[in-house]
Amino acid sequence: DSGVTQTPKHLITATGQRVTLRCSPRSGDLSVYWYQQSLDQGLQFLIQYYNGEERAKGNILERFSAQQFPDLHSELNLSSLELGDSALYFCASSVGPGDTEAFFGQGTRLTVV
Amino acid sequence: QKEVEQDPGPLSVPEGAIVSLNCTYSNSAFQYFMWYRQYSRKGPELLMYTYSSGNKEDGRFTAQVDKSSKYISLFIRDSQPSDSATYLCAMSASGSARQLTFGSGTQLTVLP
Repeated sequence: DSGVTQTPKHLITATGQRVTLRCSPRSGDLSVYWYQQSLDQGLQFLIQYYNGEERAKGNILERFSAQQFPDLHSELNLSSLELGDSALYFCASSVGPGDTEAFFGQGTRLTVV
Repeated sequence: QKEVEQDPGPLSVPEGAIVSLNCTYSNSAFQYFMWYRQYSRKGPELLMYTYSSGNKEDGRFTAQVDKSSKYISLFIRDSQPSDSATYLCAMSASGSARQLTFGSGTQLTVLP
């Protein structure tokens, strides 16, 4: 167990809908990363927050947004969902903003139908 | 062409075999090289990381980086059924987890 908690584990929703994925980082970690893992694109970095502030953006669509709250948990919001958004979404955390090692949660499997 | 190429396998070996997993890359800026293990329905777990060229050993695992050839390898000695997983290589220019570029993963099965 990495200490990173993601909820829900599974989510099935219809196209056009909006969902929120939640992540609680390891105790003491200030940095949260979101990744998307799909069959055709592999594991791709989406966005990073450090102590409540956005730190880096990767291949994140405009329909997606995230935030990190004062208690350091983070939420990834996905809106106007399309079939192609079906994927595993991972949250990872680390102590600092530039750490090499990040600890991954077990992921949320999103299925858009 | 992807920045990081990894043979997806699947790869099946008998217990006790030496396993070799490989990745090639095209971005010369990559300085940090990592191997992650991902069990089915779990998140990736960092196994090893190496800075620049050279070898690094940790128990049954050895990571090798050849920057001149843009080629990295992970060797698993005395492989065990518990090593059955998908192995992902990852690289970054800065060392930060936020800038990792992952390979597509190699699925390994170690048969008892």
